[in-house]
Formats: sequence, structure tokens, C-alpha cells
Amino acid sequence: DTAVSQTPKYLVTQMGNDKSIKCEQNLGHDTMYWYKQDSKKFLKIMFSYNNKELIINETVPNRFSPKSPDKAHLNLHINSLELGDSAVYFCASSQGWGTGNQPQHFGDGTRLSIL
Amino acid sequence: GDSVTQMEGPVTLSEEAFLTINCTYTATGYPSLFWYVQYPGEGLQLLLKATKADDKGSNKGFEATYRKETTSFHLEKGSVQVSDSAVYFCALSPTGNQFYFGTGTSLTVIP
Repeated sequence: DTAVSQTPKYLVTQMGNDKSIKCEQNLGHDTMYWYKQDSKKFLKIMFSYNNKELIINETVPNRFSPKSPDKAHLNLHINSLELGDSAVYFCASSQGWGTGNQPQHFGDGTRLSIL
Repeated sequence: GDSVTQMEGPVTLSEEAFLTINCTYTATGYPSLFWYVQYPGEGLQLLLKATKADDKGSNKGFEATYRKETTSFHLEKGSVQVSDSAVYFCALSPTGNQFYFGTGTSLTVIP
């Protein structure tokens, strides 16, 4: 039983296209995140939602738009893809907000390659 | 601001060698500290955590002690195996559920 699942696992597309990545968690968590990991393995937080409300919105181009239809899902839509968007995108989830001691559970990542 | 500084890699060790990966942090208050491991082609997995000073987190032979006096959370293992080859991330969670990750340390264990 996959706890945090992302689709697709691989995404190869051309510059200028629009694409979406989906994330679902079955852990009953109420907080979800999107991270970007570059080729040097550096992890950068992009967005976080708690109970479908956006609570972290880091400096990310507005071509990136998250959507949380319910607590178990957090999707990421990217418009007008650019070469610099090539990376691995990770979804994560955790329980609660404000305690600071709950670990995050990660999906296996979506490897996005822009041609 | 809050941050984590992690030992730069890559680290290459022979099987059964002793491992230390250094991690120091900057934070106000009393953050929780974590180590995550990322195996090739996979997402990050929680390895261990400590939520207050002097706590020791341990899992799969790995240990780390939350040292407030030195603001450190170094990861150690007495005898590494080839299967421990992965990237290791130190992380800090000061308040809320926001995490600050270190830059990751790549470990390769050779037979």
C-alpha cells in the first residue's frame, strides 16, 4: 500500500508545454507539500497546504500553480515549461501543523525532463 | 534565519567502516531534528528523529544525538554496509511543519 503516490513517475515534454503532476496520500494527513530537487540533490520547498489552505508559497514562478481539491490530494500544474524546470518533483505529507515534530512522508518523485 | 549545514560529500567508505556525517543547525527555540535517507531512484525516507535536547534517535544501526550546546545532530553508524549507499539529509523543523533540509551527503560503500 503506497502511502504517498505521485503520477506520472517520468515526464518528458517539450519547452512551452503545460503539464500536471498528481499526488495522493492515504495516510490521513492534513498537510501536503511540493518540493523541487535539482541535479545536485538540493531540495527546495515550493508549496504547502494544510486542510486545503495554502500556507507556504515560496518564491516560485507563477507558472507553477498548486491545487488541493481535498486533504488527500495536492496537484501541481506547470504552464509554459522551461528548460530550467527539469528536476525531480517530490510530494510529501505530514500530520498536523504547528507541532514541529511530525516527520514528512515522501512520494517517489516525478522526474521531469524538458527537451 | 533557520538553517541546516551539512557535511559535504561525496563520502566513500569500505564495508564495515565507521560513518560520521556532520550536521549543525541554526534555529531559535527548540526545533525537532531529523535524518532522512534517499536511495537511488526513490523518495526520501525518515531514518531517525529527535525532538528535544539530549534525545538520541536510532534506527537500522544509525544514531544521532541532539546536542543543544553545540547545535549539532551528527549521524553515526559503527559498521556500514553496501546497502547503506544513499544520500543522507539532515533536516530541521522549528515551528509549524516547515522543514529546512541540508544539502545532502552522498555515501558510497564499497565491498
